[in-house]
Amino acid sequence: QVQLVQSEAEVKKPGASVKVSCKASGYTFTAYYIHWVRQAPGQGLQWMGRINPTTGGTSYAQKFQDRVTMTRDTSITTAYMELSRLRSDDTAVYFCARSDEGEDWFDPWGQGTLVTVSS
Amino acid sequence: DIQMTQSPSSLSASIGDRVTITCRASQNINGYLNWYQQKPGKAPKLLIYLASTLQSGVPSRLSGSGSGTEFTLTISSLQPEDFATYHCQQSYGVPWTFGQGTKVEIK
Repeated sequence: QVQLVQSEAEVKKPGASVKVSCKASGYTFTAYYIHWVRQAPGQGLQWMGRINPTTGGTSYAQKFQDRVTMTRDTSITTAYMELSRLRSDDTAVYFCARSDEGEDWFDPWGQGTLVTVSS
Repeated sequence: DIQMTQSPSSLSASIGDRVTITCRASQNINGYLNWYQQKPGKAPKLLIYLASTLQSGVPSRLSGSGSGTEFTLTISSLQPEDFATYHCQQSYGVPWTFGQGTKVEIK
């Protein structure tokens, strides 16, 4: 079955970086985009950007443009999201999710990775 | 950015009730509206895409409708597994944006 499995929870200090992984299985990794969406505690969902696993091309939300980097390793069907210069308000659950090209609804989603930013 | 506003933010309902959730967009999104269900501690699950197309495996008591800037998600007869938070998302223009969520609770 199609599955996205994310890395474990992380605790980081302000100013540090975090890199979250998303391992895809059950489908052709290069046939679908991977998106990253975050959810702060008790808040709604916020789209951060997406990567085309075939080309490595990315599109980032302007809010994160200068701090986020999305990459992939096709040999191990894994996508990554790195967020730098962390602040306390980056504390959130980070999800990866799949979409078809030109069909920007997300299915399925990874289980989520909690990133806590605290001094 | 396109702003998405859901109403109500929360509601209490009983098993068997008909429930309607509204999502309004700040501009015409031409039917590019998707709905998700999220249970506590879990990832969202796609229910409906392009305003009214039911994702495979989603029960038919759920339906979506709307056009332009106003959309609705309807649950015709609320079941125990439907108690959750529902999110709308527009896929008309980048950045893709979500509503703030509607929590459906047991009365």
